Amino acid sequence: GAGVSQSPSNKVTEKGKDVELRCDPISGHTALYWYRQSLGQGLEFLIYFQGNSAPDKSGLPSDRFSAERTGGSVSTLTIQRTQQEDSAVYLCASSLALGLTQETQYFGPGTRLLVL
Amino acid sequence: GENVEQHPSTLSVQEGDSAVIKCTYSDSASNYFPWYKQELGKRPQLIIDIRSNVGEKKDQRIAVTLNKTAKHFSLHITETQPEDSAVYFCAAGGGSQGNLIFGKGTKLSVKP
Repeated sequence: GAGVSQSPSNKVTEKGKDVELRCDPISGHTALYWYRQSLGQGLEFLIYFQGNSAPDKSGLPSDRFSAERTGGSVSTLTIQRTQQEDSAVYLCASSLALGLTQETQYFGPGTRLLVL
Repeated sequence: GENVEQHPSTLSVQEGDSAVIKCTYSDSASNYFPWYKQELGKRPQLIIDIRSNVGEKKDQRIAVTLNKTAKHFSLHITETQPEDSAVYFCAAGGGSQGNLIFGKGTKLSVKP
């Protein structure tokens, strides 16, 4: 079946502009995660949605970052007033996340963001 | 919160040798430990995972061991091949949090 998809695959923007990154999780997956990966670095957790519960926003680096998940499916990560240090690959993942049992997270291909 | 330490950051081995990557975690409530392989420019992909109710799991040339008392787990790759070259990430999850916390990664190079 279809995996996690993300769009756009690449985004170049100017400092100060807002950007929106989209994630389509695997159908039926109730949990959705956003991570940031800077060049040659590890995966930095940003935000986590589980079903209809309030999202875990503990990883968002500043109030310029926000995310929403409409209808329990598609998610949008918004970065306002982008800065050069926001340049990174933004990865989305989804999982079944049944109750307290952690399930396998499947990653999308990522969006490469470059802020000039 | 959970903290995951991963070592080494880089590892170079000869083809056919074994490779071992180690991770430690801080949250004793964590109960799920996956390993991801990320090839250059590609997405992370799960290669093996282990839950806290078992101590070892194998899948062909790959094995993972878990020591809950010491709060560490390791990835073992035997008979390494050049296509094993990638960055490997360990992670810990479950317990008191819903997300995974990743280690900083190990860049494995397998020389032919």
